[in-house]
Amino acid sequence: NAGVTQTPKFQVLKTGQSMTLQCAQDMNHEYMSWYRQDPGMGLRLIHYSVGAGITDQGEVPNGYNVSRSTTEDFPLRLLSAAPSQTSVYFCASSSDRVYGYTFGSGTRLTVV
Amino acid sequence: EDQVTQSPEALRLQEGESSSLNCSYTVSGLRGLFWYRQDPGKGPEFLFTLYSAGEEKEKERLKATLTKKESFLHITAPKPEDSATYLCAAVIQGAQKLVFGQGTRLTINP
Repeated sequence: NAGVTQTPKFQVLKTGQSMTLQCAQDMNHEYMSWYRQDPGMGLRLIHYSVGAGITDQGEVPNGYNVSRSTTEDFPLRLLSAAPSQTSVYFCASSSDRVYGYTFGSGTRLTVV
Repeated sequence: EDQVTQSPEALRLQEGESSSLNCSYTVSGLRGLFWYRQDPGKGPEFLFTLYSAGEEKEKERLKATLTKKESFLHITAPKPEDSATYLCAAVIQGAQKLVFGQGTRLTINP
């Protein structure tokens, strides 16, 4: 049982480049979310999904896109990377938002 | 505005020295209060969920409690392996997000 798998673990991008952060879960969870973690800022919600085909914005959605074509996968796309997007990104999933989220191990992204 | 505040930011204890971490919350309606543990370079690991004031949960040397305004994570006779950052987060009624505090970095010296 792998839980929540994120790839890649590390990435360096140049300003203006685009990329996709992958997230997959094998627990048949309906709820999936993307957070970014920055020093002194805590974890902030970027986008979330309550099921396949349904997504919505969180606190800090600008510069990011998501889609949810299957229950298992919830990729996060950076459209045109900016240095302000340098952060650690976490994907999380849950069977119900009040029962606790399972987090992936994170992707550390640096934009230069 | 929904807000979760943790204190202290950092805490250093000797092995066996018990203490408590605080998580105060100001939210429009609390559905649940989570505690997570995060080790360096890893994702948060779920510890507890508390749903109503007066509720308590325990796991090994950790006990979490909840009042109408705050939650405490009590650590009894800690060991060096308890060193980590502890995060609390609130689930808001009618919202899909977790509102996180900034965490308490706990260090247990042998």
